[in-house]
Amino acid sequence: DVKVTQSSRYLVKRTGEKVFLECVQDMDHENMFWYRQDPGLGLRLIYFSYDVKMKEKGDIPEGYSVSREKKERFSLILESASTNQTSMYLCASMRGWGYTFGSGTRLTVV
Amino acid sequence: AQSVTQPDIHITVSEGASLELRCNYSYGATPYLFWYVQSPGQGLQLLLKYFSGDTLVQGIKGFEAEFKRSQSSFNLRKPSVHWSDAAEYFCAVGATADYKLSFGAGTTVTVRA
Repeated sequence: DVKVTQSSRYLVKRTGEKVFLECVQDMDHENMFWYRQDPGLGLRLIYFSYDVKMKEKGDIPEGYSVSREKKERFSLILESASTNQTSMYLCASMRGWGYTFGSGTRLTVV
Repeated sequence: AQSVTQPDIHITVSEGASLELRCNYSYGATPYLFWYVQSPGQGLQLLLKYFSGDTLVQGIKGFEAEFKRSQSSFNLRKPSVHWSDAAEYFCAVGATADYKLSFGAGTTVTVRA
């Protein structure tokens, strides 16, 4: 089975900090995605990547950036964390419409 | 752009009773449709998907869904609910051009004994 691993289950960061959320997949998938999950809003796409060093903005990219230096790793970066970025972040890996999601990182910005 | 509406935020159902979760989508082309389940503290698990063909789709855990193009709907059903079905359920539509999934807001299912 494909595994998508998110390095932290819970994170607490201070306002203004630069935050890195890491995601690693082990099945050589080209496509990777970062979603944000909020109650009543479902999952919203932040950024996605089709290949190494490639990135595309999703529906809510403001305040975020991403990095994909290696095929298996897709990092989400909060340049200057704000309280409205407190949320659950889900990473996914995909090939041919077969999505696999990580267990999520619950980020609290205080 | 595609979008998904799940009209029911929360549904409570008795164990052994039937369950139906509603999903309406908006997409200009033939949609790729999905249902996912998320148990507390877990990632999303695919229940079933529809790409083409038979409009009644069977999934895992005894779930099925029916695609109705005329109603732009893809409702999820289960004949007899188990306590372990308590979870949040998400309907999603896929954009064939770029593999992006757009999700509905989710429906939380509570199962009472």
